[in-house]
Amino acid sequence: DTEVTQTPKHLVMGMTNKKSLKCEQHMGHRAMYWYKQKAKKPPELMFVYSYEKLSINESVPSRFSPECPNSSLLNLHLHALQPEDSALYLCASSLLTGTTLNEQFFGPGTRLTVL
Amino acid sequence: GQQVMQIPQYQHVQEGEDFTTYCNSSTTLSNIQWYKQRPGGHPVFLIQLVKSGEVKKQKRLTFQFGEAKKNSSLHITATQTTDVGTYFCAGPVTKYGNKLVFGAGTILRVKS
Repeated sequence: DTEVTQTPKHLVMGMTNKKSLKCEQHMGHRAMYWYKQKAKKPPELMFVYSYEKLSINESVPSRFSPECPNSSLLNLHLHALQPEDSALYLCASSLLTGTTLNEQFFGPGTRLTVL
Repeated sequence: GQQVMQIPQYQHVQEGEDFTTYCNSSTTLSNIQWYKQRPGGHPVFLIQLVKSGEVKKQKRLTFQFGEAKKNSSLHITATQTTDVGTYFCAGPVTKYGNKLVFGAGTILRVKS
């Protein structure tokens, strides 16, 4: 299984809602990532988990809260978002082998709209 | 901070014509990766280059890594409609082994 799955595919939420995005991989990858991508822009890194521990937080606002319950799952909890947070949210995973940068496998993404 | 510049931003070609996108880093890269994102899709890994001056081919795609490991290119020979999408280069941020910095991407459109 060389797939990263993400749910939901689409999400519409109001600014007062709380929702969660989910990501799952069964490739044994110990690095997992959340990216935000706006239209016609490159993916922008938000968080990195290495061995289920948060290793990089790119100064993301606290209304985004990541969680890595185990080595296969990654969640992104959303609360009190703003309309400018509307974007495609991509999850990715990769092997962790010392300092070598490995290819990242991306999920299909969650298209988020904040009203 | 570390930046990866990519040009051109857009390229429209006639089917059968060649296409090239270029990446230039502000710092020496230990390696560089290339990804393709189809319209409405997600980035898909194409290749990783590690050695200075490295050239790798995948069918009609040729990838090069510069001698100084600060630039890279992707060349597609005789484009097809299936080549449509956005091509991103990405390099590691030296301080963080698993952090990629992406170039802005080149959007390729192919007219048949």
